[in-house]
Amino acid sequence: QSALTQPPSASGSPGQSVTISCTGTSSDVGGYNDVSWYQQHPGKAPKLMIYEVSNRPSGVPDRFSGSKSGNTASLTVSGLQAEDEADYYCTSYAGSNNYVFGSGTKVTVL
Amino acid sequence: QVQLVQSGAEVKKPGASVKVSCKTSGYTFISYSMHWVRQAPGQRLEWMGWINAGNGNTKYSQNFQGRLTLTRDTSASTAYMELSSLRSEDTAVYYCARVVGTNNFDYWGQGTLVTVSS
Repeated sequence: QSALTQPPSASGSPGQSVTISCTGTSSDVGGYNDVSWYQQHPGKAPKLMIYEVSNRPSGVPDRFSGSKSGNTASLTVSGLQAEDEADYYCTSYAGSNNYVFGSGTKVTVL
Repeated sequence: QVQLVQSGAEVKKPGASVKVSCKTSGYTFISYSMHWVRQAPGQRLEWMGWINAGNGNTKYSQNFQGRLTLTRDTSASTAYMELSSLRSEDTAVYYCARVVGTNNFDYWGQGTLVTVSS
């Protein structure tokens, strides 16, 4: 199973928005509404930010939003803050009880 | 509160096996699946496999078929990951993660660094 494709990096100034894409195939991202997003700070475990494409767990700021169109899912972070600087990973259910993670995107707050 | 606490760092020689534990608390262990994810230094997250903590059924990524064994001890609310025939490329931080629903890795262990070196 190949990794889902994410841009290696994205950046924005405080207060701006940044959108990260996650491209797969019809066998994973496009085939299921089971895409989730994780934030990972250096040396820390990942943290769930979005699940089932667009749902936020309690405690996650509403600055984080998710969407999907065809084989590509997206995570948007609005009103960027310094603490949003981290690596972000998408993951998708890929059928037959398999899962696949994205290649990861480093978000830099300028 | 939900907690997943993993065993400590390991150093292994090539060809050896490693077994990492993930002790849980704060929820009903058998009601959720447990997944294992690894991250090589500076690299992306890689899904390894999962175990249904209730019935013990497992699913492994093709990348680890034949080398990975996931087990659990329901009496101890603990999940285990054993990886055999270790090679240097297996040097990574290994995470356990609870999954609710289909794809919501909602709680993670703190990670266990496994170093494979001769």
